[in-house]
Order: sequence, then structure tokens, then C-alpha cells
Amino acid sequence: EAGVAQSPRYKIIEKRQSVAFWCNPISGHATLYWYQQILGQGPKLLIQFQNNGVVDDSQLPKDRFSAERLKGVDSTLKIQPAKLEDSAVYLCASSFYRGQSPMKQFFGPGTRLTVL
Amino acid sequence: GESVGLHLPTLSVQEGDNSIINCAYSNSASDYFIWYKQESGKGPQFIIDIRSNMDKRQGQRVTVLLNKTVKHLSLQIAATQPGDSAVYFCAEKLTGGGNKLTFGTGTQLKVEL
Repeated sequence: EAGVAQSPRYKIIEKRQSVAFWCNPISGHATLYWYQQILGQGPKLLIQFQNNGVVDDSQLPKDRFSAERLKGVDSTLKIQPAKLEDSAVYLCASSFYRGQSPMKQFFGPGTRLTVL
Repeated sequence: GESVGLHLPTLSVQEGDNSIINCAYSNSASDYFIWYKQESGKGPQFIIDIRSNMDKRQGQRVTVLLNKTVKHLSLQIAATQPGDSAVYFCAEKLTGGGNKLTFGTGTQLKVEL
């Protein structure tokens, strides 16, 4: 089956600019996650969707980050305006619990963001 | 701060040997512990998980051990292969946490030929 798709793979912007990332989860996966992974660290959950509803966005910096999943399939994550400390890999993951571990999340390859 | 951490940042093993990657956690309210593998340039890949009411779980060439007394988790990889070279993360899910995972900082496993 096709995996989680993300685009772009790389993005370089200057601070105070805006950027958007796109994610297409595995077909049929109701739950979608966005993670931020800073170099040398583990992924940190930013937001979790169940279909098109937000389950957890407690670690999302809402003054500059926003995310949506309007039709319960694709999702976009936006940063406006970007700061230097936003430089990281942004990972999208999806999961579907029937018949497998509820802890098994399928990750995309990520978008590497560099803020100059 | 992070409640899940790893003892060693880098582990080097010979091909064919067994690898043991360790992880300490501090939150007793976790009901799942999970291991993920991340190869360079890729997203993390699920390896195995264990519920907090278990001590041991085995998968294909991997075994996870959970010691709740000392809040310690380990991943054992049998007959380590070059393809096992990656960063390994332990993660935990808090009871009732809606499947939110908290990841540790990772251990780099290097397999020497």
C-alpha cells in the first residue's frame, strides 16, 4: 500500500516569512498527526486529528502555527511568521487501529525546514 | 522536561552480535511503551510495543523488556544486521492520553562489519 506522502521535502525561508506543508495520509486512516523533530531530538507532537476534528493541539504554538484537515483526508500545517527556532523536520503520520496495535503510527518522510 | 530518556546516545555492535538499547522513563501513568526506528532521511518506523501490565514481548528478532520497578525499558535485537543501523527511539503513551506519544531523544545504533 502507498505510504504517507508529504511535500515539499525541503524548504528554505527567511525568518518572518510564511510556509505551508502538505500531508496525504494512508487511505482509510482516520487519525493524522503532525510532529516537529528538531535535530538530535525525538519527534514532538504538534497536533492530532481524528477525521477532521482536533483531538490534541496542546503543544501547537497557536500564535504562529495552524493546521487543518478540512475533509478528513489531506492536511496542511502552516507557520506564519517563521522564527529561527522553527528549523526542524516536520513529520506527518497516520494510524488506523483495526487489526493492529493502536500505537503503530505510519510516518511520512518529513519536510526539512530551514529558517535563515 | 522529557519523561522518557535514553542512557547512551551511540551504540556500536559487530554484525551478528546482539544489541541492547536501553531507555529510562519517569512517568508511572503510562500504559504503553513503544520502540521506533528511524533511518537517515526517513520518518520513524514502528518496531514493537508493550503494555504496562506486561514484562516481556517478542517480535521478529526483537524483544522488549519492561521493568516497572526501576522504570526501565530495553530493546534487544538478535543477530544485528547492517540494516539495523539507525536511531532508535523509545516512546510512551500516558493512560487516557488519546494515543499521544512522547518520544525520547534516541540512540544511534551503528553496526560494524
